[in-house]
Amino acid sequence: DAKTTQPNSMESNEEEPVHLPCNHSTISGTDYIHWYRQLPSQGPEYVIHGLTSNVNNRMASLAIAEDRKSSTLILHRATLRDAAVYYCILRGDTGTASKLTFGTGTRLQVTL
Amino acid sequence: NAGVMQNPRHLVRRRGQEARLRCSPMKGHSHVYWYRQLPEEGLKFMVYLQKENIIDESGMPKERFSAEFPKEGPSILRIQQVVRGDSAAYFCASSPGQGLGSPLHFGNGTRLTVT
Repeated sequence: DAKTTQPNSMESNEEEPVHLPCNHSTISGTDYIHWYRQLPSQGPEYVIHGLTSNVNNRMASLAIAEDRKSSTLILHRATLRDAAVYYCILRGDTGTASKLTFGTGTRLQVTL
Repeated sequence: NAGVMQNPRHLVRRRGQEARLRCSPMKGHSHVYWYRQLPEEGLKFMVYLQKENIIDESGMPKERFSAEFPKEGPSILRIQQVVRGDSAAYFCASSPGQGLGSPLHFGNGTRLTVT
């Protein structure tokens, strides 16, 4: 699987926008970019995914670079409930299976 | 629509006993994935199943671990003769298909403690 690189941790103030970066310079043409997050003591939660175009949903926005070698997850107004580990994952065609391979993610701290 | 249900939420076993972890996927989902998360570590893929078939078990330990997803009923992850190193959170996820754009929906896990 193609690898992603994320900062280990980031901090944000509540009510401020948060931009979580992800580098994936070895992405292939058929790889989707998925973002998940894991709150303490919970299972991972799907956030958003995209292929080439920017995407918006009720949780976040995903901005994908034109060359697709990087992407940014945007939380428009961080709340304390957004404190979690955020995982950027490439999901590609591996033949018979399309599992998600989690890295170490970015631990987001949100403060008042 | 209920999410992915895992039970039990917590499981305590003595060394040498068997652990059975159950996962009921979301309604209409026929693809199930199992992951393990050791304390303070990341999520590691274990196995991917469709109804009655194991598709990818590349992350399963070679011994003592098995998984099934029968035609009826939940998916089961079975660990025989548990050891202390098996203590971890085990997460199950389901999806309606294996399309690359299909998100996985995760349960809240079973926390196994081996004493």
